[in-house]
Amino acid sequence: GNSVTQMEGPVTLSEEAFLTINCTYTATGYPSLFWYVQYPGEGLQLLLKATKADDKGSNKGFEATYRKETTSFHLEKGSVQVSDSAVYFCALRSNTGKLIFGQGTTLQVKP
Amino acid sequence: KAGVTQTPRYLIKTRGQQVTLSCSPISGHRSVSWYQQTPGQGLQFLFEYFSETQRNKGNFPGRFSGRQFSNSRSEMNVSTLELGDSALYLCASSYGGGQKNTEAFFGQGTRLTVV
Repeated sequence: GNSVTQMEGPVTLSEEAFLTINCTYTATGYPSLFWYVQYPGEGLQLLLKATKADDKGSNKGFEATYRKETTSFHLEKGSVQVSDSAVYFCALRSNTGKLIFGQGTTLQVKP
Repeated sequence: KAGVTQTPRYLIKTRGQQVTLSCSPISGHRSVSWYQQTPGQGLQFLFEYFSETQRNKGNFPGRFSGRQFSNSRSEMNVSTLELGDSALYLCASSYGGGQKNTEAFFGQGTRLTVV
């Protein structure tokens, strides 16, 4: 079946550090891939998406590239801010329409 | 354009009771999905409705049910509540259903506590 695996958290970084959150997936066919972010007490917000191999999604300084050969969709940001502290979820969506989420990675950025 | 609205935001119920949660999708969106979020299990898919029909169903007991109305608003019901049903219930709205590149927009969730 389809599944998403994210790196274990929490990830603790200093402000302006480089961020990578690893995400790999298992899926039949060619799913679309998403990153969502959840701030404390809130629902999920779509951060970025990629719908086919080699697509790069980007938003608010975050980037992720759909790598079919390694079945990965790692999230990166060159310089994190305290306001980026949140839980990040990698997800895939296949033709069944169902969104499958990873376990989430908590990011804490310290000043 | 209004976002996804879930009501109520917080609920406290007693074991054995039932509860109904409501979700109003973004105007024009016809697909509504429900997810349960807990610290132990993460985000788990409950079901999806599209044009008043259930399209997908997750692996939850029959105590969890839902429906969608002609205006695309959706409700989910949990009967005979158990302590383990305590969770954040999230609703997601999409323009179409069953299409892999369709973006899903989430509401703020309903925090259900069963005591």
